[in-house]
Amino acid sequence: SQQGEEDPQALSIQEGENATMNCSYKTSINNLQWYRQNSGRGLVHLILIRSNEREKHSGRLRVTLDTSKKSSSLLITASRAADTASYFCATRAGNMLTFGGGTRLMVKP
Amino acid sequence: DGGITQSPKYLFRKEGQNVTLSCEQNLNHDAMYWYRQDPGQGLRLIYYSQIVNDFQKGDIAEGYSVSREKKESFPLTVTSAQKNPTAFYLCASSMALAGAPRNEQFFGPGTRLTVL
Repeated sequence: SQQGEEDPQALSIQEGENATMNCSYKTSINNLQWYRQNSGRGLVHLILIRSNEREKHSGRLRVTLDTSKKSSSLLITASRAADTASYFCATRAGNMLTFGGGTRLMVKP
Repeated sequence: DGGITQSPKYLFRKEGQNVTLSCEQNLNHDAMYWYRQDPGQGLRLIYYSQIVNDFQKGDIAEGYSVSREKKESFPLTVTSAQKNPTAFYLCASSMALAGAPRNEQFFGPGTRLTVL
């Protein structure tokens, strides 16, 4: 079962623009995490936001969480070509993380 | 890739053969996980282990088996019973199961398995 659903599935922007990805989920969560995956590689943890937090920043990343709407967003500001990757949200379901289908971001130089 | 190694990077197997994927971590993590990723898709959990000599089925365990004889190692065997084994396999570890406060997972580089 897929707890998180990312939107859009694919996003193409120019370098310097901001990129926003959204994640919706179905059940109550303890926390929500965002991961990045470069093509053919493993995932890298970006940021974790707890259910009692509404916003969190890390460098050019900004994550928001709205538990009433069961949704989260990841904003990448001033994007770079090196940000090209797939981005996944993950939520706790029981004792495990459950990953969404991902947003494939392409940043054109 | 965060102290987790997977081998081999690419693996080819004939139909009907069992094959074992290696996963080793030197992060002193208690929990380890195996995921399957199909092209353009998210990750699906195959098996996870919280502690040595203990493991639990994930969402798609059929046709797979694991062992956890050492804290550092969590090998995955893809058996001939797995109907569609061609996929990208990712191993991960964390300090504790996902329910604990600090539960980000660290991933290996993955093994791409192709059945010929």
